[in-house]
Parts: sequence; structure tokens; C-alpha cells
Amino acid sequence: EDKVVQSPLSLVVHEGDTVTLNCSYEVTNFRSLLWYKQEKKAPTFLFMLTSSGIEKKSGRLSSILDKKELFSILNITATQTGDSAIYLCRGNTPLVFGKGTRLSVIA
Amino acid sequence: ETGVTQSPTHLIKTRGQQVTLRCSSQSGHNTVSWYQQALGQGPQFIFQYYREEENGRGNFPPRFSGLQFPNYSSELNVNALELDDSALYLCASSLGGASPYEQYFGPGTRLTVT
Repeated sequence: EDKVVQSPLSLVVHEGDTVTLNCSYEVTNFRSLLWYKQEKKAPTFLFMLTSSGIEKKSGRLSSILDKKELFSILNITATQTGDSAIYLCRGNTPLVFGKGTRLSVIA
Repeated sequence: ETGVTQSPTHLIKTRGQQVTLRCSSQSGHNTVSWYQQALGQGPQFIFQYYREEENGRGNFPPRFSGLQFPNYSSELNVNALELDDSALYLCASSLGGASPYEQYFGPGTRLTVT
């Protein structure tokens, strides 16, 4: 059965900390892995990863994929309270989401 | 904002009733996917429509059905509602095809079944 497992399920950090969120996957016909941020309702797209070892970066967020070990990490440096959200990881084919990591950043 | 809209925003129904949720996809997108997100869970894939045809389905019973229209907007219909159907229903639009693609989500419809 295809599955995506995220860890930790929840995390509380202080502003300025660096966090690493993990996503491991077992999906057939893998094509890509996507990260989303969900604050209230609609998940918003962060990254799509298709190749191993190539880091994608957007401001303080970065992500990388390891296709051999079947996992991805999402890093957030110098966290801010606005980073508080649920971070979702998704396999592309089929469309399987993990349960998400709930990140809380406190001032 | 993504350009994907959903209606209604909130809905309260009684067990056994039927409900129709609507989604307008982002301009230029020909694929719509529907997800159910229960509290504390990640979104669960219901089904996907590509150019008006269902081309993928998750582990949901037949009382969950859908339609996609020529303008690529979509409906999700749920018959014989059960209490466990209470959830946030998300639709996402994308460009289909064989390549990996990004999905853009609407704001969701919060369904409560009493």
C-alpha cells in the first residue's frame, strides 16, 4: 500500500530556531514529492522535488529529496511566528498525503 | 490566492441527506482533484477528473461521486451522509498529463453532518 509518513507529528520551537521536518514515502510509480503549508484551510504549494540531491530553496525554507532512501526533508531557518502551520508532504502518483507536521513557533 | 474557488464555505447537513459541493478551477487547468480532510489528518484523495473523465479514485465508497464540466469546473456529490463524512473538503486544480505537476487548492468547504 502506498504511504507517506511524516515526522514529527507536532513540534514547538522558539522564534529564531531552525527546524527540520521529515517525510518518508513508499509509493509506486514515483514521479515527484511535493511540500505544502496549510495555515487555515487551503494548502499552499512550497516545493516540488523530482531529482535526488538537488536542494530547492525559497527564502528561509529549503528542501531536498533522497530517492534512494525514499525520504525528503524540509528545513526552516530563523523561524518566525508566521511559520506556524501544518506542513504537508505529498507523493505525486498516486496522490497520497502524509498526516502533516504541526509546527508552532512561539515568540 | 490561487484562483480556485469553492462553494459553499460551510454546510450543515443531517445524516442520510445528500450534498453537492462545487469547485471552479484555476484558469487554464484541465484537472480537478477532490480531497477529504478530517480533523488532525492529512487530506485523503477521493478522486480526480481530467477533461471531464474520472481518471483516478481513492478508497472511498460509490456514494461519493463527481462530475467535471466542459469549463473544467467540478462537483462532488455525497449521498446518504454519515457522521464520519464531517470534514473539510478540498478541491485542487492542475494541468494534467504525464509530467509531475503542482496542484493549487481552493479554500475548502467545511461539512458538518449531525
